[in-house]
Amino acid sequence: DAKTTQPPSMDCAEGRAANLPCNHSTISGNEYVYWYRQIHSQGPQYIIHGLKNNETNEMASLIITEDRKSSTLILPHATLRDTAVYYCIVSRYTGTASKLTFGTGTRLQVTL
Amino acid sequence: DAMVIQNPRYQVTQFGKPVTLSCSQTLNHNVMYWYQQKSSQAPKLLFHYYDKDFNNEADTPDNFQSRRPNTSFCFLDIRSPGLGDAAMYLCATSRDRFGTGNTDTQYFGPGTRLTVL
Repeated sequence: DAKTTQPPSMDCAEGRAANLPCNHSTISGNEYVYWYRQIHSQGPQYIIHGLKNNETNEMASLIITEDRKSSTLILPHATLRDTAVYYCIVSRYTGTASKLTFGTGTRLQVTL
Repeated sequence: DAMVIQNPRYQVTQFGKPVTLSCSQTLNHNVMYWYQQKSSQAPKLLFHYYDKDFNNEADTPDNFQSRRPNTSFCFLDIRSPGLGDAAMYLCATSRDRFGTGNTDTQYFGPGTRLTVL
């Protein structure tokens, strides 16, 4: 299964864009990149996913490099509520379910 | 709102005393998953149900069992909890990949934190 590498921690000022990088150099052609976040003592929350095109939704944007070996999650205007651990995940569909390979996560601290 | 519900949120059990954690969903999703998450670690998949079909991960200990009596409910049974089983247990669901391309997004519940005394 493809593995992901993320920086262990990042800081961001409130109101600024938070750019969270992820390397997934061993990703296969049919595997998707997913991002989830986990606020302390809660379940992971889905943010966004993509295959090879850039994606945007109401929460974030996902930029995937052309070779698909890395991606960046962008929170355009970070708030204190965005403080969480962000997981970059490679998802492989097995025929009965999606199998998520979690990275070690980036702890994002948003400050005033 | 459609959601994944886990009860209880906190569970305390004694060493060796069987315990059951429950998960229910109002999303009408076909697939349900159970994960174990230990402190400061990423979630680890234990098993999943595709409809009524049970799929175990190769490294899941026999001490962990699961039941899915209907689409909405799924249970995690720990037959003889050890101190090493203290963790957050997460339930997740996904619809099915049909109509969503070759992927299937998972939605997690809030988790049950298990303490073993």
